[in-house]
Amino acid sequence: AQKVTQTQTSISVMEKTTVTMDCVYETRDSSYFLFWYKQTASGEIVFLIRQDSYKKENATEGHYSLNFQKPKSSIGLIITATQIEDSAVYFCAMREGDSNYQLIWGSGTKLIIKP
Amino acid sequence: AQTIHQWPVAEIKAVGSPLSLGCTIKGKSSPNLYWYWQATGGTLQQLFYSITVGQVESVVQLNLSASRPKDDQFILSTEKLLLSHSGFYLCAWSLRDKLSNERLFFGHGTKLSVL
Repeated sequence: AQKVTQTQTSISVMEKTTVTMDCVYETRDSSYFLFWYKQTASGEIVFLIRQDSYKKENATEGHYSLNFQKPKSSIGLIITATQIEDSAVYFCAMREGDSNYQLIWGSGTKLIIKP
Repeated sequence: AQTIHQWPVAEIKAVGSPLSLGCTIKGKSSPNLYWYWQATGGTLQQLFYSITVGQVESVVQLNLSASRPKDDQFILSTEKLLLSHSGFYLCAWSLRDKLSNERLFFGHGTKLSVL
């Protein structure tokens, strides 16, 4: 069965440091897509970055990058040079197959950036 | 530019009363549309999706229904609210093609309190 697990409930780091958030997934599909979204305190949800299962290179987008370890079914999100405004809840999500309208979400990790 | 508008911003309703939440997408033709529910501090649960006018698919049964009366409009409703319906409702859209790896664009959400 499809499942996405984020075990870190909350992380607190100092500003300008690097943080990694973990996410593991379960799927029987050979083709799948992994996403990270951020939800701010206002409730707004924005897309951050995506990894396609068939791509070996880790995706990068600005100060976000991914650590994709396919054998471990793991997709970690790395944020470098963190800023106060990075404080938010980060969700990992997965979509299987090529014509699937359902996104499976993790439980989220709350990131607190301290000045 | 595409915009997504959700209404109302917040609702306080009595148990057993009816509910109607709306979502309008402007600037994008024939988008895929989605309804999500989020309990306070919880993960996102996909409720419905629609790939074309008049067609809506249910993902989970929560005594809610959805309709897509126009290409740019998605409505979530119920005739009888339950306490368990409280939470945050989010509408989202994605591009019609390239289904599985496309990002979602979210509205600002509706906070529903059922008393």
